[in-house]
Amino acid sequence: DQQVKQNSPSLSVQEGRISILNCDYTNSMFDYFLWYKKYPAEGPTFLISISSIKDKNEDGRFTVFLNKSAKHLSLHIVPSQPGDSAVYFCAAVKNNAGNMLTFGGGTRLMVKP
Amino acid sequence: KAGVTQTPRYLIKTRGQQVTLSCSPISGHRSVSWYQQTPGQGLQFLFEYFSETQRNKGNFPGRFSGRQFSNSRSEMNVSTLELGDSALYLCASTSGAHVEQFFGPGTRLTVL
Repeated sequence: DQQVKQNSPSLSVQEGRISILNCDYTNSMFDYFLWYKKYPAEGPTFLISISSIKDKNEDGRFTVFLNKSAKHLSLHIVPSQPGDSAVYFCAAVKNNAGNMLTFGGGTRLMVKP
Repeated sequence: KAGVTQTPRYLIKTRGQQVTLSCSPISGHRSVSWYQQTPGQGLQFLFEYFSETQRNKGNFPGRFSGRQFSNSRSEMNVSTLELGDSALYLCASTSGAHVEQFFGPGTRLTVL
């Protein structure tokens, strides 16, 4: 049972435009959601997180939106840059489950110059 | 501050052998988690250690085990290796004050 899903395996965007990566979840008990970026042969790098009691969090070019009623979150990257090309994972965690992250399957973002 | 370090970075073993992977967390971080990444199953949680105690365990067989030392360094062990254990094994640490976990570069294990 996949509790966190990223339905788009890949996304291609032109440099300077907006990238929107989507994530759906089934477990309403998640307390935090996180986005990570991963390059090949490296560990995931933390980008941004959002608490389940908020609907938006911004950090520079990255904004995460949370729609609890739809159990959906999205990561917006504006403007997209070629260096943003990587695999993006969304993850979720429950406060009463320690630091156990449940990951989605990832979306490969390609930003074309 | 130095990041999370993992050793070795690459490892080749044969079926039936056992392997030990090591992780040094960021200084001051007391929680260490381990994850397995495979093309078929994605990133899956193995276990978490906090103050030398296993706090959470994922859905993996008993061949996968771990421990944490008093300096927060952690090791994971896989016994009786199977071909399906070939994966990237990632370690992450957190201070506990914030939700984000910081990952090491991983150990690429190949089982032949």
